[in-house]
Amino acid sequence: RKEVEQDPGPFNVPEGATVAFNCTYSNSASQSFFWYRQDCRKEPKLLMSVYSSGNEDGRFTAQLNRASQYISLLIRDSKLSDSATYLCVVNRNAGKSTFGDGTTLTVKP
Amino acid sequence: DVKVTQSSRYLVKRTGEKVFLECVQDMDHENMFWYRQDPGLGLRLIYFSYDVKMKEKGDIPEGYSVSREKKERFSLILESASTNQTSMYLCASSLTASGSSYEQYFGPGTRLTVT
Repeated sequence: RKEVEQDPGPFNVPEGATVAFNCTYSNSASQSFFWYRQDCRKEPKLLMSVYSSGNEDGRFTAQLNRASQYISLLIRDSKLSDSATYLCVVNRNAGKSTFGDGTTLTVKP
Repeated sequence: DVKVTQSSRYLVKRTGEKVFLECVQDMDHENMFWYRQDPGLGLRLIYFSYDVKMKEKGDIPEGYSVSREKKERFSLILESASTNQTSMYLCASSLTASGSSYEQYFGPGTRLTVT
């Protein structure tokens, strides 16, 4: 079993749709959690950190459930520019991270 | 803005050649990482370093070595390149500080082809 597992996707949604990505992790000692975004042929970039209390950044909402070892990302009112691969990332220790394989989102007009 | 630069965007090498991939960061980060990214396999950690001259193996260190002589520079070395090392190589850095969330900043990547 992979240490970090994501919905395989791909997700193809119309503009304006709401889409949710899920991620589970196996190491209960994991300390910090992130969603990164990676555009085609580009490097990953931080989208948002994920906190136990849940956090929101504009149209994006991230949730963490430590008991279930589950992370989610909700995107509301999808834009064409949201098309990308979204990576779930879990930090183990000393800054070492494990990346999920990513979920590809395509937002269509 | 944090900047992580990598020496080459594209590199073509022959089997058996020694290959050096260089990474430099300008934000005085303690941690530096080398990953490779392959379709269907995601990002996999090759090596990381949490201080000058310190290194630790990641998940797939075989066939690679690293060097960190200065805080800002982290080099990945392929001692004898093989075709299965054809991949996208990504360098990253992060801060170690009390309260740091360890967000990683990535370089643009080096697409290495070994023929």
